[in-house]
Amino acid sequence: NAGVTQTPKFQVLKTGQSMTLQCAQDMNHEYMSWYRQDPGMGLRLIHYSVGAGITDQGEVPNGYNVSRSTTEDFPLRLLSAAPSQTSVYFCASSYASGSTDTQYFGPGTRLTVL
Amino acid sequence: KQEVTQIPAALSVPEGENLVLNCSFTDSAIYNLQWFRQDPGKGLTSLLLIQSSQREQTSGRLNASLDKSSGRSTLYIAASQPGDSATYLCAVRPTDSWGKLQFGAGTQVVVTP
Repeated sequence: NAGVTQTPKFQVLKTGQSMTLQCAQDMNHEYMSWYRQDPGMGLRLIHYSVGAGITDQGEVPNGYNVSRSTTEDFPLRLLSAAPSQTSVYFCASSYASGSTDTQYFGPGTRLTVL
Repeated sequence: KQEVTQIPAALSVPEGENLVLNCSFTDSAIYNLQWFRQDPGKGLTSLLLIQSSQREQTSGRLNASLDKSSGRSTLYIAASQPGDSATYLCAVRPTDSWGKLQFGAGTQVVVTP
């Protein structure tokens, strides 16, 4: 049981480049989400999904796209990277029903945009 | 809009002292509150989750209390150890959404031997 995995661990991009951050979980969780963490700030929600084929925007969605074709995978796409997207990105997952929604986080992707 | 605040931003204590970490939130319409631990360069690990109907949760040396009406939660760590050095974050889940957590900025804790 690997939990939540993220690739890559580190990435450097130039302004205008595109890339996809990968996230996968093997716990059969319906709910998955992406957060970004900036110095001195808490994590902020970018996009989330309550199941395959269903996604919605969080607090800071601009500049990011997501899709959810399977329960296991929830990739985050940066279409045209900007320096303001330099951050640490975390993927999380949890059950979408029941008495608890303890969230499990991946190890993060540290992204630098030059 | 929900605002979550953690004060102080950083804390240093000698080994053996009890740690008291504070979290406040502005909107009492929460479903639950979670405390997380984050080690440098790592992801978040959930420590305790308190449902809005509960007053406290305990796990080993950790105890978290919740006073929803006053918008406060406190995480107590008894008899601190150098291995407790980390950043501790609290997050609230609003009643109207599943899983959409609102995080505080965290308290960075250093326990000196």
